[in-house]
Amino acid sequence: EAQVTQNPRYLITVTGKKLTVTCSQNMNHEYMSWYRQDPGLGLRQIYYSMNVEVTDKGDVPEGYKVSRKEKRNFPLILESPSPNQTSLYFCASSSRERTNRSGANVLTFGAGSRLTVL
Amino acid sequence: GIQVEQSPPDLILQEGANSTLRCNFSDSVNNLQWFHQNPWGQLINLFYIPSGTKQNGRLSATTVATERYSLLYISSSQTTDSGVYFCAVGANAGGTSYGKLTFGQGTILTVHP
Repeated sequence: EAQVTQNPRYLITVTGKKLTVTCSQNMNHEYMSWYRQDPGLGLRQIYYSMNVEVTDKGDVPEGYKVSRKEKRNFPLILESPSPNQTSLYFCASSSRERTNRSGANVLTFGAGSRLTVL
Repeated sequence: GIQVEQSPPDLILQEGANSTLRCNFSDSVNNLQWFHQNPWGQLINLFYIPSGTKQNGRLSATTVATERYSLLYISSSQTTDSGVYFCAVGANAGGTSYGKLTFGQGTILTVHP
């Protein structure tokens, strides 16, 4: 089944304890991206990657790192988490070749990772 | 960066009613997408529509790029249409349909049976 898999789905941690949220897709997509969702703010893009070893900042990159060493994986790293990074995180992927009936290059989202930093 | 405003913030409908959701953006874009987030949190891409009009079943979308707005129409609404609708825009090099994306705050739609 074509999908984007995020882990962990839920995590409670403490300030300053490094953590990694993994994201993996099995669709051979070139593009991957990370978003955070907060009440009243919609989704905000953290980082995106157009292909292996190509990453760029979104609107809210501060406090996050990413890497794209392999096409299928795009982990999100919080080196020193703080309470303001408590949020719902989504990973997504897309291919420039794939379209759906409504003409979009379908952005496929993972199920989300709910992170709480105490 | 580009600012995106969606209206209305909340919308409550009876099943069968029609609705129009609006997305205003502050700058020229070459990427505009509509998404639906269902009550379980799942996000689904509905349309890629940087300009023009598209239809998919009961849903259609129109973007007037010169006036910097897009509209999402839902006809004969059903309870399964409930959730949050997001508009996202970008101005990416080469006219690619993905890259940096800025989302609006969303419209929360509730459809009652």
